[in-house]
Order: sequence, then C-alpha cells, then structure tokens
Amino acid sequence: DTAVSQTPKYLVTQMGNDKSIKCEQNLGHDTMYWYKQDSKKFLKIMFSYNNKELIINETVPNRFSPKSPDKAHLNLHINSLELGDSAVYFCASSQGPITYEQYFGPGTRLTVT
Amino acid sequence: DQQVKQNSPSLSVQEGRISILNCDYTNSMFDYFLWYKKYPAEGPTFLISISSIKDKNEDGRFTVFLNKSAKHLSLHIVPSQPGDSAVYFCAASGRTYKYIFGTGTRLKVLA
Repeated sequence: DTAVSQTPKYLVTQMGNDKSIKCEQNLGHDTMYWYKQDSKKFLKIMFSYNNKELIINETVPNRFSPKSPDKAHLNLHINSLELGDSAVYFCASSQGPITYEQYFGPGTRLTVT
Repeated sequence: DQQVKQNSPSLSVQEGRISILNCDYTNSMFDYFLWYKKYPAEGPTFLISISSIKDKNEDGRFTVFLNKSAKHLSLHIVPSQPGDSAVYFCAASGRTYKYIFGTGTRLKVLA
C-alpha cells in the first residue's frame, strides 16, 4: 500500500541514451512533483503538475520532459543523457499546490556512465 | 543564491537531550515552512509545518519556532531518541507553488 512509488529504484545507463522514470501515487492527490537531489544534496524542484496541468517548470534542460497521463501518474523522460544528469530523482505528491505537505517517493538513483 | 540555508551540516546529541536544528531564509515573501526527515535510501517524510501567522507549532516531541524578524526557524526535538537520527530538511514557500529546500542537517542521536 505504498503511497508514492517510483520505478526503477536504480538506473545505470550510458551517455546519450534515453530513459524514463515512472511515478504513481495512490493518495488521491491533485498535485505531483519531480525533484532532483544532486551530489551536494540540494533538493531542487524540476516540475509540478496540478490536475494534469503543468504549473511549475524550473530551468531544466528541455531534454527532460514530464508526462502526466492522469492525476495519479507523473513520469519523467530524459533524452540524450549526460554525465551531469547523475543524481537521485524524487517524485512527490500533495493534496494541493500550496501550503500542503508533500509525500515523497523513495527516489530513483540515476547513474550515467 | 540559496534562499533557504541550514548552516550546520551535522549535529550530535545525547539520547534524552534536546536537539535543535536551525534554518535561515532570505526571502521575506516566504510564509509557509515545513520540516522533513530523511532516512538513507528513502524519500523525505513530512514532520511538521508552520504558517507565518504563528510563531510556534507543536506536535508531540517536535516543536517548530518561527522568528519572522530574524528570518529564522528552528526545530526542537525533545527528548531525542536514537530513531531520530536522520537528515532534516527545512523548506519554505511563498505561495508560488514551489518549496525551496535547505541542504539538510544530519542529526545523530547517541545512545
């Protein structure tokens, strides 16, 4: 009965490849997020969707494309992977977009070689 | 430009004593603050929050204090327990749909 789940948990791939990370929440939340935690442990928001509508799109390369097929899912597709994309990616959800605590998934550790 | 700062990367406290984790912010538009706890290989878990209309919020062993004039908040854990050993993140929001996170403080509670 995991609240926010991500697959895969670990992803090792070579530069130039395209990969996807999937996220699902079963909390009935309206808002979902993707965060990146880099080697310095900064946790930075990348994207947020509210009711399938993009509401936050931070300054990330356009190689990163989120897709929200429905309110319960927010997938992250990354094209032409680079070494600097290596990080832990967290998916999160919240009841609404403002002043609601976020529930995080376990993270996906992406390693680009 | 780090708008939310946790200047202590680590803290060690004896079991049963008080743990105080600090967080400073620079943006006066921030009006909602949260603390998260994170264990290794897991996602952050929400702990406690506070709105800028309050200066204190308490939940069991956890209390968050907000000093708006100093742009400072702190998390008090009392009494500290070994299971509290984790990385603690503060986060702030100014109603722009996004939270800015600090870099975290690693708390170690010694038995």
